[in-house]
Amino acid sequence: EAGVAQSPRYKIIEKRQSVAFWCNPISGHATLYWYQQILGQGPKLLIQFQNNGVVDDSQLPKDRFSAERLKGVDSTLKIQPAKLEDSAVYLCASSPSGPPTDTQYFGPGTRLTVL
Amino acid sequence: GENVEQHPSTLSVQEGDSAVIKCTYSDSASNYFPWYKQELGKRPQLIIDIRSNVGEKKDQRIAVTLNKTAKHFSLHITETQPEDSAVYFCAGGNEKLTFGTGTRLTIIP
Repeated sequence: EAGVAQSPRYKIIEKRQSVAFWCNPISGHATLYWYQQILGQGPKLLIQFQNNGVVDDSQLPKDRFSAERLKGVDSTLKIQPAKLEDSAVYLCASSPSGPPTDTQYFGPGTRLTVL
Repeated sequence: GENVEQHPSTLSVQEGDSAVIKCTYSDSASNYFPWYKQELGKRPQLIIDIRSNVGEKKDQRIAVTLNKTAKHFSLHITETQPEDSAVYFCAGGNEKLTFGTGTRLTIIP
């Protein structure tokens, strides 16, 4: 079965610019997650979708980050405007169903560098 | 919210020896504890997980133990091989997962 797909794999932008990341989960997976992984740290959950509804976005910096999951399949994560501290790998993950007590499968990530 | 602490941050073991990584958690409601392996520049991959109704789980050279009373869980890798070198993350949660800060494991040939 195909894994979680993400694009682009790498992105370099200047601070205050905007950027968008795309994720295509494993077919049939109801739950989709966006994580931020800063170098040397573990992944931090930004937002969790169940189908096309938001389950948890308590750690999403809503003044600059936004995410959507149209039709309960693909998802996009946007940063506008970017700050230096947003430099990180953005990981998308999906799981077959409900709460996270279900195996999460990660995509390859998008490495963002903000200059 | 949940807080997961992981130790040690780096670990070097001789090939063939065992490696143990420990994590503690704060939320007694947490009921799911996966372990992920992440090689340099690659995605995290699940290697083993345990749920709170189980005390120990084993898969070939890898085992995980859970002590709910003490709120800690550990990863044990036996007969280590060079390909075990990677960063290992523990995680815990109920409605969502909180990850530890990672352990860089190096296997010395």
